[in-house]
Amino acid sequence: DGGITQSPKYLFRKEGQNVTLSCEQNLNHDAMYWYRQDPGQGLRLIYYSQIVNDFQKGDIAEGYSVSREKKESFPLTVTSAQKNPTAFYLCASSIQGAAETQYFGPGTRLLVL
Amino acid sequence: KNEVEQSPQNLTAQEGEFITINCSYSVGISALHWLQQHPGGGIVSLFMLSSGKKKHGRLIATINIQEKHSSLHITASHPRDSAVYICAVTGNQFYFGTGTSLTVIP
Repeated sequence: DGGITQSPKYLFRKEGQNVTLSCEQNLNHDAMYWYRQDPGQGLRLIYYSQIVNDFQKGDIAEGYSVSREKKESFPLTVTSAQKNPTAFYLCASSIQGAAETQYFGPGTRLLVL
Repeated sequence: KNEVEQSPQNLTAQEGEFITINCSYSVGISALHWLQQHPGGGIVSLFMLSSGKKKHGRLIATINIQEKHSSLHITASHPRDSAVYICAVTGNQFYFGTGTSLTVIP
């Protein structure tokens, strides 16, 4: 049963704390993406990776970091430098590139305590 | 500056009505996508199209490349169609609209 999983569903962050959001896919897709969704705004691209061990910044990368050590995994770390981290975070993957259909995970809602 | 504009922002319909959601874009694209986001947040890709029209069940998507416009139609709407519908385009990157929130009342 192929798909994308994200965990946890809800995550709470204290001030000054780094937190890591998990994204795993078993679709054998090369490309993976992280988006942030805020109320009343479209999805915004944080980071994307088109191949293992390579990734690029999106529109709002400041305060975030990623790694792509394995094809199936693309974790996102929200660092303490991200001053407004409360949002809904979505991970997606596609076979190769941005022009193709993207498959989305269920999302992680991050809240700041 | 929004590269993708959707209308309406909110839409309420009676069950059985024919629904149209519009999307206009301002960038050169290789494809346009219609996505559905249910309460709870998960997103499903409905259509990817670069020309003409596509149909899947009660859903129809059209695109006019010259006018940079796409429409998503839902025939015989049903309460389970209630969701946020998002238009996205791919040029050199993905651009997303802010979504149209649809509520279908029984």
